[in-house]
Amino acid sequence: QQPVQSPQAVILREGEDAVINCSSSKALYSVHWYRQKHGEAPVFLMILLKGGEQKGHEKISASFNEKKQQSSLYLTASQLSYSGTYFCGPATDSWGKLQFGAGTQVVVTP
Amino acid sequence: DAGVTQSPTHLIKTRGQQVTLRCSPKSGHDTVSWYQQALGQGPQFIFQYYEEEERQRGNFPDRFSGHQFPNYSSELNVNALLLGDSALYLCASSYYGDYGYTFGSGTRLTVV
Repeated sequence: QQPVQSPQAVILREGEDAVINCSSSKALYSVHWYRQKHGEAPVFLMILLKGGEQKGHEKISASFNEKKQQSSLYLTASQLSYSGTYFCGPATDSWGKLQFGAGTQVVVTP
Repeated sequence: DAGVTQSPTHLIKTRGQQVTLRCSPKSGHDTVSWYQQALGQGPQFIFQYYEEEERQRGNFPDRFSGHQFPNYSSELNVNALLLGDSALYLCASSYYGDYGYTFGSGTRLTVV
C-alpha cells in the first residue's frame, strides 16, 4: 500500500519554510526522500533509518517517527532550486524496496 | 564518476510486442531495482536484483521479467505489451539497502 503524502502541492516564496509529511500503514525500517524535477530522474535527498541514523546529501532536514510510521521533510529558507516534486519512499526491510507516494509538488517563486 | 546509465532513452512499440530495457548501475553499486512511473505518479516498484537473483518483486504480472549479469548490469523485459505499459521505466542502483538509490534518467516507453 502506498504511503500518504501531504500536502499535494505547496507554493513558496524564496526564503520561506515548508513541511512535507509522509505516513505509512506498515512498520518501517527506513524512509527515503527524493526530489524529481520535470523530465529528470529522482535525486536522493536523505534516508532515515530505524534507530535514528540519518544519511543525506543536502542541507535538508527530516524526521522519522518509527512508532507512528511517519516522516517529515523540512524545507528551510527555500531556494529556487528546491522546486520539484518530492517523494517519500518508506521501506519495510533493509533491502530498501520502496513504495513511493504520489508526491508533493513544490514551487518556489522569486 | 558515471551514474546510472539506461538505454534506450525512448522507445515506441506496438501492442503485443516484446521489449528489453537495459541498465548499468553506478560504479560500486551491486543492487539494481526497476520502477515504473506513469505520468504524474510516483515510481512503482517492479523488482530488485542482487547477486544475479531476483530478491523482491512488486505487484506486476509475470510479463515483466528481468536479469542481472555478473557485472551488476541489468535488463528489464516486458512481453505481450499492453497500452497501459506506456510509462517511464527507471532503473535505480544502490549498495546493499542502507544507502540512497541513484536513479537513471529512464526509458520512456510508448505502446501504440
